[in-house]
Amino acid sequence: GDSVTQMEGPVTLSEEAFLTINCTYTATGYPSLFWYVQYPGEGLQLLLKATKADDKGSNKGFEATYRKETTSFHLEKGSVQVSDSAVYFCALSEAGRGFGNEKLTFGTGTRLTIIP
Amino acid sequence: GAGVSQSPSNKVTEKGKDVELRCDPISGHTALYWYRQSLGQGLEFLIYFQGNSAPDKSGLPSDRFSAERTGGSVSTLTIQRTQQEDSAVYLCASSLEGTGVLNSPLHFGNGTRLTVT
Repeated sequence: GDSVTQMEGPVTLSEEAFLTINCTYTATGYPSLFWYVQYPGEGLQLLLKATKADDKGSNKGFEATYRKETTSFHLEKGSVQVSDSAVYFCALSEAGRGFGNEKLTFGTGTRLTIIP
Repeated sequence: GAGVSQSPSNKVTEKGKDVELRCDPISGHTALYWYRQSLGQGLEFLIYFQGNSAPDKSGLPSDRFSAERTGGSVSTLTIQRTQQEDSAVYLCASSLEGTGVLNSPLHFGNGTRLTVT
């Protein structure tokens, strides 16, 4: 079945450091890939997505590129801020592709803490 | 309302009791999901409702779990004869349609933290 494996946390970085959170996936077909973020005290929200190979999703300075050859969707940011402290979830969906239903399969989440 | 609303925000119950968790999705959203987040675990899919279609119940862990969605809006997740391993945060999400190529991101509520003692 589908699965998502992401970097275990917690991750602690200094402000302005470079961030990478690794994510790899296993899927039956050609899924869409997502990063969701959960800020303290808030519900999960979509950060970025990519729907086909070589697509790059980007938002709020974060980027992730859909790499079919390595089945990866690593999250990166060049210079993190204290406000980026949150839990980040990688996810996939095979919705609309005939291989599965409309649900998202999530990774375990990575807690990121940025120190001033 | 502006977002997905879940109630109660916290629930403590004794082992063996039944509990009901409520979810009010964003108005107009036809898709509704329940997920469970256990300590140290990822989000575990439980059930999915889409319009008038039969729900996808493939993620429900046992027959003690059930969910309904009345009138295509509010949903209730019921856990009968609760066990300690049911302790988790139960998250509800809604979207306009599916999550794939249809540009319909999931909007999550803040969850209900269930503790079974």
